[in-house]
Amino acid sequence: DVVMTQSPLSLPVTLGQPASISCRSSQSLVYSDGNTYFNWFQQRPGQSPRRLIYKVSNRDSGVPDRFSGSGSGTDFTLKISRVEAEDVGVYYCMQGTHWPLTFGGGTKVEIK
Amino acid sequence: EVQLLDSGGGLVQPGGSLRLSCAASGFTFSTYIMSWVRQAPGKGLEWVSAIGASGDSTYYAASVKGRFTISRDNSKDTLYLQMNSLRAEDTAVYYCAKDPRGAYSSAGNPWGQGTLVTVSS
Repeated sequence: DVVMTQSPLSLPVTLGQPASISCRSSQSLVYSDGNTYFNWFQQRPGQSPRRLIYKVSNRDSGVPDRFSGSGSGTDFTLKISRVEAEDVGVYYCMQGTHWPLTFGGGTKVEIK
Repeated sequence: EVQLLDSGGGLVQPGGSLRLSCAASGFTFSTYIMSWVRQAPGKGLEWVSAIGASGDSTYYAASVKGRFTISRDNSKDTLYLQMNSLRAEDTAVYYCAKDPRGAYSSAGNPWGQGTLVTVSS
């Protein structure tokens, strides 16, 4: 199985400042069709997960443009350009290239 | 907009069975891979199972293979998860998810609100 390793585990941030979360996969996530099926999810306290980013860098409808995804192969990054109070929660990366699908362990974003 | 309504959760004894449902709307259900993902209390996300758009192919996590069966009824826009031989470690919130691999954009969250399954005597 593909192991997804996120860092950091916890990320205290100051409102209005940028934040960055990393995710590394144990093998390449490039699929045979040339796409890289890599996603980022946000889970606010008490809510179900919400997908933010699909295929590395594509924002889902309604996701603020302060969220951006980048990376390739085995190394990926989620950036929040200016953290807002509503961004508090746990962020998960997930690979959709190889079965079984696997998630990272999560990064808890909190306000300092 | 995508809407996924999970239901069927509840309290069940170890060794018992439960059937989850997910009613979909706002998209052409029959053209998407669908999946179940679970989250144990206070833990992270774990993919459970997926099914192809026509129902011809199914995938399972090792932890549930042989005990859980995923299915779909495209005439009713509904996804199911039949859970047998339930164990305490199956206790979790179960989420229905559209396009679990993340191949397409989604107007609305492609995950349901979740349904809680508690396995306890």
